[in-house]
Amino acid sequence: DAMVIQNPRYQVTQFGKPVTLSCSQTLNHNVMYWYQQKSSQAPKLLFHYYDKDFNNEADTPDNFQSRRPNTSFCFLDIRSPGLGDAAMYLCATSSFEEGTYFGPGTRLTVT
Amino acid sequence: AQTVTQSQPEMSVQEAETVTLSCTYDTSESDYYLFWYKQPPSRQMILVIRQEAYKQQNATENRFSVNFQKAAKSFSLKISDSQLGDAAMYFCALYRVNRDDKIIFGKGTRLHILP
Repeated sequence: DAMVIQNPRYQVTQFGKPVTLSCSQTLNHNVMYWYQQKSSQAPKLLFHYYDKDFNNEADTPDNFQSRRPNTSFCFLDIRSPGLGDAAMYLCATSSFEEGTYFGPGTRLTVT
Repeated sequence: AQTVTQSQPEMSVQEAETVTLSCTYDTSESDYYLFWYKQPPSRQMILVIRQEAYKQQNATENRFSVNFQKAAKSFSLKISDSQLGDAAMYFCALYRVNRDDKIIFGKGTRLHILP
């Protein structure tokens, strides 16, 4: 049973064309994360939420925004994607008791 | 400053042999969790094993076990009877309870399994 679901799995967008990635969870975890991962590198944290409390990493570009309308859903908006934003975007959820679970990721291509 | 350090960028092991991946970390917190994640070429990040800092007993999950040395801040992963499906990138990660809810990753170790 899928616990952290990301849609779409593959996304192609044009340079400068806004794109939204989505994540949903069935675990009812308080914490949700968005990571950016480029090839052969560790995931880089962009944002995380504790419930609705939003935390933005200091080095996350202004081009990236996030929304969490409820416990189950979280969105990553890239306002004007550049070629350097092509990456795998990972969503994860976490709770103190159960640990951390990752979704399968969305691979973003910018043309 | 690097909080989680994996000093081996790549390792290779013969199929059916045992391999140990090393990880050291730095935190002043007393309450934290340590994880090993596996990321195969398909790129889904999978939790392999987790260790609560307050537990002295080393965690074990089938062929995977850890050697948790709290005083030395060391958290190595041992894979016994290595299988071809174990080939992946392995990330060590730290979660500090009640600090900032962040998961801090090491840079990863790419494990190759030789048939």
